[in-house]
Amino acid sequence: AQSVTQLGSHVSVSEGALVLLRCNYSSSVPPYLFWYVQYPNQGLQLLLKYTTGATLVKGINGFEAEFKKSETSFHLTKPSAHMSDAAEYFCAVSEGTGNQFYFGTGTSLTVIP
Amino acid sequence: DTEVTQTPKHLVMGMTNKKSLKCEQHMGHRAMYWYKQKAKKPPELMFVYSYEKLSINESVPSRFSPECPNSSLLNLHLHALQPEDSALYLCASSQGLAGRLGTDTQYFGPGTRLTVL
Repeated sequence: AQSVTQLGSHVSVSEGALVLLRCNYSSSVPPYLFWYVQYPNQGLQLLLKYTTGATLVKGINGFEAEFKKSETSFHLTKPSAHMSDAAEYFCAVSEGTGNQFYFGTGTSLTVIP
Repeated sequence: DTEVTQTPKHLVMGMTNKKSLKCEQHMGHRAMYWYKQKAKKPPELMFVYSYEKLSINESVPSRFSPECPNSSLLNLHLHALQPEDSALYLCASSQGLAGRLGTDTQYFGPGTRLTVL
């Protein structure tokens, strides 16, 4: 079975600073990896995904993530935080052969003006 | 168009009421999902429909009854709920071609905020 670990349930950054949200997974097969964002009282919105191919994935709103197989990681970054980035971020993994997503526990991002 | 719609946005019900949540997508997706999400927690999978057939039921209590009348529509019927069932209920859909859900991207609706009194 898959497991997904998001280190840091709360992350605070200053406006304009680098955003780094961490995600590690365990999988015995090549994973499909996703980052979702959830704004207050809203559903989940897909930020980006990795399936195969290029390991650096660019998403919406200036976010990107890099799949590192050797580190079993898929960390999310953004060079310069904006106030509108304040939200809950979920990393998710699927095995490709199964029928489910496995969500991480989420990271709440606060952006300080 | 990658939109999944859910109605109502908010629902308050008593423990003896019967109500339904509705989810709709017009992306031609063949897989649809119900999730329950408590505050500050990740979504928990409840049900999965693939080609209008229930394929996953994550041991959800029978007071929650899903229904998939057609490939675009998913309902969740609620009866005799408990206060601990108060949560955000999210619907999602994915391509689900040939029943292969593991490679899919799931697209989520905005959710229904349910309060059980």
